Amino acid sequence: RKEVEQDPGPFNVPEGATVAFNCTYSNSASQSFFWYRQDCRKEPKLLMSVYSSGNEDGRFTAQLNRASQYISLLIRDSKLSDSATYLCVVNIGTGNQFYFGTGTSLTVIP
Amino acid sequence: DVKVTQSSRYLVKRTGEKVFLECVQDMDHENMFWYRQDPGLGLRLIYFSYDVKMKEKGDIPEGYSVSREKKERFSLILESASTNQTSMYLCASREGGERPLFGQGTRLTVV
Repeated sequence: RKEVEQDPGPFNVPEGATVAFNCTYSNSASQSFFWYRQDCRKEPKLLMSVYSSGNEDGRFTAQLNRASQYISLLIRDSKLSDSATYLCVVNIGTGNQFYFGTGTSLTVIP
Repeated sequence: DVKVTQSSRYLVKRTGEKVFLECVQDMDHENMFWYRQDPGLGLRLIYFSYDVKMKEKGDIPEGYSVSREKKERFSLILESASTNQTSMYLCASREGGERPLFGQGTRLTVV
């Protein structure tokens, strides 16, 4: 079983729509959680960390559900510039074990 | 602006060649990583290093080696390149407790 699983999509949504991605993780010892954004042929870049109480950054909201072992990312009022692949990342413990989902592809359509 | 820099964006090598991928970070981070990224498989850890001359195997170390002679530089070596090593290679570094910061990636094609 993979450590981290994501729906690969693709998600094609119109501008202004709200879209949500989920990501499940298998190791209950997971300590830290992140969402990264990756543009085509570019490196992943941190979008936001995910905190236990949930957190928001502008149009982006991240949630963590430890009981069900999943994290989510909600994007409101989608922009064309949000088109990218979104990777969920899980850190086991506090060391160097990072596990990456395969990414969810989002295309925002005019 | 803090940076992780990989020496090449695109590289084409022949089967059997010895290939060096270089990565330099300017943040004095202790931990550095090499991943490869393939469609449908995501990022997979090849090797990481937590200090100069220290290294640990990741999930897919076969066919690769690494070198960390200085804190800022972490090199990935393909001893004898094969076509199944055609991939996107990503270097990252981090300070303890922080999330990884990636270099721009090297797209390697082995022909």
